Amino acid sequence: DIQMTQSPSTLSASVGDRVTFTCRASQSISSWLAWYQQKPGKAPKLLIYKASSLESGVPSRFSGSGSGTEFTLTISSLQPDDFATYYCQQYNTYLSFGQGTKVEVK
Amino acid sequence: EVQLVESGGGLIKPGGSLRLSCTASGFTLSNAWMTWVRQAPGMGLEWVGRIRSQSDGGAADYAAPVRGRFTISRDDSTNTVYLQMNSLKTEDTAVYYCTPLTRMPGYSGYVRDWGQGTLVTVSS
Repeated sequence: DIQMTQSPSTLSASVGDRVTFTCRASQSISSWLAWYQQKPGKAPKLLIYKASSLESGVPSRFSGSGSGTEFTLTISSLQPDDFATYYCQQYNTYLSFGQGTKVEVK
Repeated sequence: EVQLVESGGGLIKPGGSLRLSCTASGFTLSNAWMTWVRQAPGMGLEWVGRIRSQSDGGAADYAAPVRGRFTISRDDSTNTVYLQMNSLKTEDTAVYYCTPLTRMPGYSGYVRDWGQGTLVTVSS
């Protein structure tokens, strides 16, 4: 099974900050990676697929990069609506999720 | 518009069985690979299993924690996907989501559309 590890687990930031967090795969997954945003009590929302493709309707301040085993999600200028938990998910072999990175108010 | 309605959750004792249903609309279920994802209270997302479309063989695959206890099936004639859960454990307590996979041939896929989920509580 492919294990996904996200870091950090929690990130404290302020509105306007540029934030970046990481997702690492236990083996190469090429670019078969998605990122989701989840707010409390809500279903996840797809942000990025195939490592760097922005889902339709998602603000351009979100961007993804990476391939192989290391990936990043960047929010170029954090907005109030972006305080949430972010998950990566590989789909190279079956599916598996990272444990999440919570973005909280600094 | 894709709609997914999960149902069948509730309180069940350890060792018991429960069957969840997922009614899909807004897309052609028969062409879709479907997956179940769960989320324990306060925890992250966990993949449960997936079922291929009938045209791709219709077989199901499962994550290790549920393999041998859970079974995914589908009835494309009624646009419904099922998750039969047997030998339930307290650690199976979670919100269960049923979703279609957006995929490329040869790969599992990601999730564009989510339902509201159904809560399963396993407790004595």
